[in-house]
Amino acid sequence: DTAVSQTPKYLVTQMGNDKSIKCEQNLGHDTMYWYKQDSKKFLKIMFSYNNKELIINETVPNRFSPKSPDKAHLNLHINSLELGDSAVYFCASSQGASGGVDTQYFGPGTRLTVL
Amino acid sequence: AQSVTQLGSHVSVSEGALVLLRCNYSSSVPPYLFWYVQYPNQGLQLLLKYTSAATLVKGINGFEAEFKKSETSFHLTKPSAHMSDAAEYFCAVSGWANNLFFGTGTRLTVIP
Repeated sequence: DTAVSQTPKYLVTQMGNDKSIKCEQNLGHDTMYWYKQDSKKFLKIMFSYNNKELIINETVPNRFSPKSPDKAHLNLHINSLELGDSAVYFCASSQGASGGVDTQYFGPGTRLTVL
Repeated sequence: AQSVTQLGSHVSVSEGALVLLRCNYSSSVPPYLFWYVQYPNQGLQLLLKYTSAATLVKGINGFEAEFKKSETSFHLTKPSAHMSDAAEYFCAVSGWANNLFFGTGTRLTVIP
């Protein structure tokens, strides 16, 4: 069974569209994350979500919004897509935010291409 | 603020040779440090992590890393490279709310 899954694996869309990426974890973890990996492989935290508390990286445009229907899911909604949003987006989860030692488990990634 | 710097975006080694991937950190508090591996078109997998219990940390697939506070380093090593080790390796430090701050990655190529 996949621990952290993401759908879709590939997403190709036009500028200006709105799209969503889904993430599910079956590990029973309390905290979930979204990371963006750019074309140079640089990984950057976007959001973390723990027990209904959302912590946002201040550099993330407000066109990006995470939605958590329950503890096992953290979806990423992106409005008015731009060319610069093209990247691989990774979801991750960890048991908690207990002082920073928790291992994060990553999903396989969603490659978003904006044309 | 926490950050890591990985020296060398590409490292090539011969099969059977020592693997050394370098990582230096900057942290205003005692750091928690991680090494992750990413195989082509896959997500990240944890190799090992330092949580202050022991300075020499052993991970999966024969990798290990040594935390050196005096050098602010957390280099990753493996005594003998295998073809299956070819991948992208990321060093990371834990920051606010358990978020990870990653280095820019090092691509390891293993030459037969």
